[in-house]
Amino acid sequence: QLQLQESGPGLVKPSETLSLTCTISGGSLSTSTYYWGWIRQPPGKGLEWIGSIFYDGSTFYNPSLKSRVTISVDTSKNQFSLKLRSVTAADTAVHYCVHIHPRMYYVAHWGQGTLVTVSS
Amino acid sequence: EVVLTQFPGTLSLSPGERATLSCRASQSVSSTYLAWYQQKPGQAPRLLISGASSRATGIPDRFSGSGSGTDFTLTISRLEPEDFAVYYCQQYSNSRLTFGGGTKVEIK
Repeated sequence: QLQLQESGPGLVKPSETLSLTCTISGGSLSTSTYYWGWIRQPPGKGLEWIGSIFYDGSTFYNPSLKSRVTISVDTSKNQFSLKLRSVTAADTAVHYCVHIHPRMYYVAHWGQGTLVTVSS
Repeated sequence: EVVLTQFPGTLSLSPGERATLSCRASQSVSSTYLAWYQQKPGQAPRLLISGASSRATGIPDRFSGSGSGTDFTLTISRLEPEDFAVYYCQQYSNSRLTFGGGTKVEIK
């Protein structure tokens, strides 16, 4: 059973970089059956796709965040990561790392989510 | 970008009643790439329906999905107490995922 676990600071200062890592167990990051991503949810609000990365390293980002986002993989550690630069209070959200079905593009597995608060 | 609009925003119903949730896309969406999720407070969303009408593993048959083009529907035939939650639709096109704003199904 594929499992995902987010890790990273729960508090980030405005203008700094939010960095999160997702560790995968029960599967290999580098196989073609996997497509990975990040989704966030501000408190009390809906879901927003941040971006995704294929096993081959190709990335796709939400146009509204593209200028500030980088998603990367570390196959040696079976992890993928999110960096969001120049954060503001509007970036405060629960962040989920996810496995996306590679042909039908629904979210098949979710991490438990981690709250990142942007505040000085 | 495809915008998904869900309505109503809130649905107030009693256990045993039928719930009909709508998801409208700003442009035509492939049914293959339309999914529904359920989210309860403090939990990650859970996949209910993929491909517009296929129930995910372990999802009770009181949940059903339908629709095509720009109009999709999630129906819960008889609400159980555990079904009161927020429901989201999601689509994929042009290498992007988008979600609807959600429908909250609350106890009347």
